[in-house]
Amino acid sequence: QVQLVQSGAEVKKPGASVKVSCRASGYTFTAYYVHWVRQAPGQGLEWMGWINPNSGGTNYAQKFQGRLTMTTDPSISTAYMELSGLTSDDTAVYSCARIRDSGDVADAFGVWGQGTMVTVSS
Amino acid sequence: DIQMTQSPSTLSASVGDRVTVTCRSSQIINTWLAWYQQKPGKAPKVLIYRASRLESGVPSRFSGSGSGTEFTLTISSLQPDDFATYYCQQYNSYSRTFGQGTKVEIK
Repeated sequence: QVQLVQSGAEVKKPGASVKVSCRASGYTFTAYYVHWVRQAPGQGLEWMGWINPNSGGTNYAQKFQGRLTMTTDPSISTAYMELSGLTSDDTAVYSCARIRDSGDVADAFGVWGQGTMVTVSS
Repeated sequence: DIQMTQSPSTLSASVGDRVTVTCRSSQIINTWLAWYQQKPGKAPKVLIYRASRLESGVPSRFSGSGSGTEFTLTISSLQPDDFATYYCQQYNSYSRTFGQGTKVEIK
């Protein structure tokens, strides 16, 4: 079945960077953009950006421009999200997601990773 | 960027109640809107896509309506499993935006 499996929890110091992985299985990895969404404790969902695994093209939310990098390694069907310059405000669960299997170019998110908790603390 | 505004932020209701959540977009998004349900510690689950289309396997008590800039999620008869947080999301543009969420609580 279609799955997105993420790397484990991370604890980082302020100013550091974190890199979270998202391994896809059960579908052709290069056929679907990978999106990243985060959720701070007790807060709502925040879309961060997407990457096209076929071309490497990206689109980041303006809020994260300059400190967010998304990459992929199609040979192992894995996407990566790296966030630098971490502050306590970046403490959140980070999740990768893929759209529904509808054939539409744009669609709702139908597949999610299990989430990775990133804690930023001195 | 397109902003999404949901209301109310919290809603107290009883089992069997009809519940309505509203979402407004800052720009016209046609029907490129989804509704998600999220329970604590779980990933969001899509309920409605294209503003009014019910995702496979989702109970028919959930329905969505609207187009342009105003959208509604309705639960016709609230069930115990429906107490959760609901989010709208636009996917009209290259970017995506979520509403701030509506928590449906037990009255």
